[in-house]
Amino acid sequence: EAGVAQSPRYKIIEKRQSVAFWCNPISGHATLYWYQQILGQGPKLLIQFQNNGVVDDSQLPKDRFSAERLKGVDSTLKIQPAKLEDSAVYLCASSLVSSGRRYEQYFGPGTRLTVT
Amino acid sequence: KQEVTQIPAALSVPEGENLVLNCSFTDSAIYNLQWFRQDPGKGLTSLLLIQSSQREQTSGRLNASLDKSSGRSTLYIAASQPGDSATYLCAVDFLWGKLTFGQGTILTVHP
Repeated sequence: EAGVAQSPRYKIIEKRQSVAFWCNPISGHATLYWYQQILGQGPKLLIQFQNNGVVDDSQLPKDRFSAERLKGVDSTLKIQPAKLEDSAVYLCASSLVSSGRRYEQYFGPGTRLTVT
Repeated sequence: KQEVTQIPAALSVPEGENLVLNCSFTDSAIYNLQWFRQDPGKGLTSLLLIQSSQREQTSGRLNASLDKSSGRSTLYIAASQPGDSATYLCAVDFLWGKLTFGQGTILTVHP
């Protein structure tokens, strides 16, 4: 079974530029998550999708971050304009879902973003 | 506020030792708790998932326990090996699959 795919793996941009990350979840996984992991910290959830819909985006800085999930499969996360404090690893995860149970989340390798 | 704390922040042990990593959380109303491993520059690998109705889960040399009433979980690693060196993260599902992570324990197992 293929895992969660992410691209690019690394990105270096200057502040105020824009950047986009792509994620392809495990086939059949309805739920997709984007996390931000700053060096030395645990990941923090930015946005959670179930199929096409947003379940939780309460910690997404909406003035500069946006995300979409087309056709309930692939997802893109965009930052525009980037700030120095956005330097982090952006992790995508996916999981199955059912009404009565939570399943394991499977993570991709992440995209390491450096903003200079 | 729902928070997850991991102690210790770093741990260094000789090969062969049994060790325990600790995780505490502030709200006992959880759906599940998941332990992950993260190698430098890599994503997260799921080690064990404990549903709220369970007390423990085992996989090979790993055993994770859950005590909701006290807000604690432990990850026990038996007969540690240098290949176990990594950062171990505890994550709690408080609501709708949204994981809240601890800051991790950096484990070094030296030969």
